Amino acid sequence: EEQLLESGGGLVQPGGSLRLSCAASGFTFSPYAMSWVRQAPGKGLECVSAISGGGETTYYADSVKGRFTISRDNSKNTLYLQMNSLRAEDTAVYYCAKSLYGGCTSWGQGALVSVSS
Amino acid sequence: QSALTQPRSVSGSPGQSVTISCTGTSSDVGGYNYVSWYQQHPGRAPKVLIYDVNKWPSGVPDRFSGSKSGNTASLTISGLQAEDEADYYCCSYAGRYSWVFGGGTKLTVL
Repeated sequence: EEQLLESGGGLVQPGGSLRLSCAASGFTFSPYAMSWVRQAPGKGLECVSAISGGGETTYYADSVKGRFTISRDNSKNTLYLQMNSLRAEDTAVYYCAKSLYGGCTSWGQGALVSVSS
Repeated sequence: QSALTQPRSVSGSPGQSVTISCTGTSSDVGGYNYVSWYQQHPGRAPKVLIYDVNKWPSGVPDRFSGSKSGNTASLTISGLQAEDEADYYCCSYAGRYSWVFGGGTKLTVL
């Protein structure tokens, strides 16, 4: 069974940093693109970042460009999201997802990030 | 990228069919056969219902079906059941490892 397990969420002050991790199991991690999708309280889904299977290509939504960095360690089957200069509007549940062109076929349970003073 | 456009809410009675539309542009929905649909119950992670416009992951009943015409994709749920009450999101690949979601549709089963 494919599983994705996020960790690293929590409460942080505006301007602070957090690093999310997503441990993958049950499938061969390296060939697949991976994404971070967030959902602010009461709002819809937003793909904020994605990375190709080998890590050569990355994508960032305009809302996080220059502040967030996505990376992966295929030897550890783990995806990361380094989040710097956090703002109140970054408060959300962050999901990692296995991403085929045609859709996100596996999702983690989500990690809550709260940005507040 | 702008979010894909979905109706904010739809409703139907048990046993009926409902269709949720998802309108994008030629840069996303119209440009790729890579539309997916997700169901999300409150407090839960999204679950994929449809990928590649009209394919089912294993375990998803064929009451859920997807289609696309031009820049608009659709999800049809037939034989509505009480447990189908949830939020539904469409998503399209938009090139260069980017995906864009719709704003979400709340389905109420009357």
